[in-house]
Amino acid sequence: EDQVTQSPEALRLQEGESSSLNCSYTVSGLRGLFWYRQDPGKGPEFLFTLYSAGEEKEKERLKATLTKKESFLHITAPKPEDSATYLCAVLRGSQGNLIFGKGTKLSVKP
Amino acid sequence: GAVVSQHPSWVICKSGTSVKIECRSLDFQATTMFWYRQFPKQSLMLMATSNEGSKATYEQGVEKDKFLINHASLTLSTLTVTSAHPEDSSFYICSASRGTSLSEQFFGPGTRLTVL
Repeated sequence: EDQVTQSPEALRLQEGESSSLNCSYTVSGLRGLFWYRQDPGKGPEFLFTLYSAGEEKEKERLKATLTKKESFLHITAPKPEDSATYLCAVLRGSQGNLIFGKGTKLSVKP
Repeated sequence: GAVVSQHPSWVICKSGTSVKIECRSLDFQATTMFWYRQFPKQSLMLMATSNEGSKATYEQGVEKDKFLINHASLTLSTLTVTSAHPEDSSFYICSASRGTSLSEQFFGPGTRLTVL
């Protein structure tokens, strides 16, 4: 069964304290792994797409990496405005179905 | 570009009534639209996939007679929750893809439904 598991469920960091979020997945035929940011009461905001093991992408303080079984979202020197829930999703099938993890709620304190 | 809107952003209704939620792609033509439901502290769960002019494909366990989806144009899809009950209270989010790349999905801001 296709599955996406994110850890930790919640993460509290001090401003400037770097850390990583994990997304492990089990899917037959990975067609893409996605990272989104979701603020309370809002829809997901696209961050990255990764397609193959070894691929890395960066955007400001965020860096996403992908292996054959998991993906990491590295946050370098986070700021309070980085506080949000970060969602990981994998694409399966030919219909564009995304399977989402439950997310990691990140809180960055000043 | 690639903006998706939803209307209303929140709605409160009485048990037994029907509620319609609209999803619009504002600056592109959406070949496929997706409807998700998200309960508190849970992941987004795909409910159905709809293509313009054809019947929606529902995920297993989603009642198609209860959640009516209409995708009448390339910029508009609607989700109607019929005879809503308190257990239908949730956050409903749509997404839209353009062109042939189903991997590129743009999400709407969501609609909070509360059924009393």
